[in-house]
Amino acid sequence: NAGVTQTPKFQVLKTGQSMTLQCAQDMNHEYMSWYRQDPGMGLRLIHYSVGAGITDQGEVPNGYNVSRSTTEDFPLRLLSAAPSQTSVYFCASSYPKTGTSYNEQFFGPGTRLTVL
Amino acid sequence: GNSVTQMEGPVTLSEEAFLTINCTYTATGYPSLFWYVQYPGEGLQLLLKATKADDKGSNKGFEATYRKETTSFHLEKGSVQVSDSAVYFCALSGIQGAQKLVFGQGTRLTINP
Repeated sequence: NAGVTQTPKFQVLKTGQSMTLQCAQDMNHEYMSWYRQDPGMGLRLIHYSVGAGITDQGEVPNGYNVSRSTTEDFPLRLLSAAPSQTSVYFCASSYPKTGTSYNEQFFGPGTRLTVL
Repeated sequence: GNSVTQMEGPVTLSEEAFLTINCTYTATGYPSLFWYVQYPGEGLQLLLKATKADDKGSNKGFEATYRKETTSFHLEKGSVQVSDSAVYFCALSGIQGAQKLVFGQGTRLTINP
């Protein structure tokens, strides 16, 4: 298993450009999510999905779109990049048990994005 | 809302020293608590977890005890190694969704030989 993969590893954008960060997992996980990591702020949840066709907002969703057409893929779209979106982005996945039990989340290696 | 506060870093220790990284939380209900570790250039990995009060999570020589009375989940290791150099994140599960994680700001640990 490749686990959770993310592409690209690094990206530089100009203000106003759009792009898609790719995330894929081969573990048949139902739950996938996107976090951003900023210095001194830990990781913050952007969007998440509990299964194909179902997405919801996290703590900091503004400026980002997601869709979940397959179980394996969960792309994150930046509609019009802003310098405030300069960050490291992590995708994660897990296979939730029934009820509210927690299953370990597996993280990808991250995408470092710079917006000029 | 839910929040996690970790001790300020960076932390620098010598090999074989005792490690404590403090973590306190604010949450309604009874969250699960976690420590994640991020090695240089990699994503986060789950280090240990505790799902109810007084539980002790342990892995790779690290331990943390879920203390409801002090709302704390401090990470400890008796003798650190150079290979423990990493960033450590304390986190709790979101009360409204067990899969949502709320992270602390992270503590960078450097171990010198």
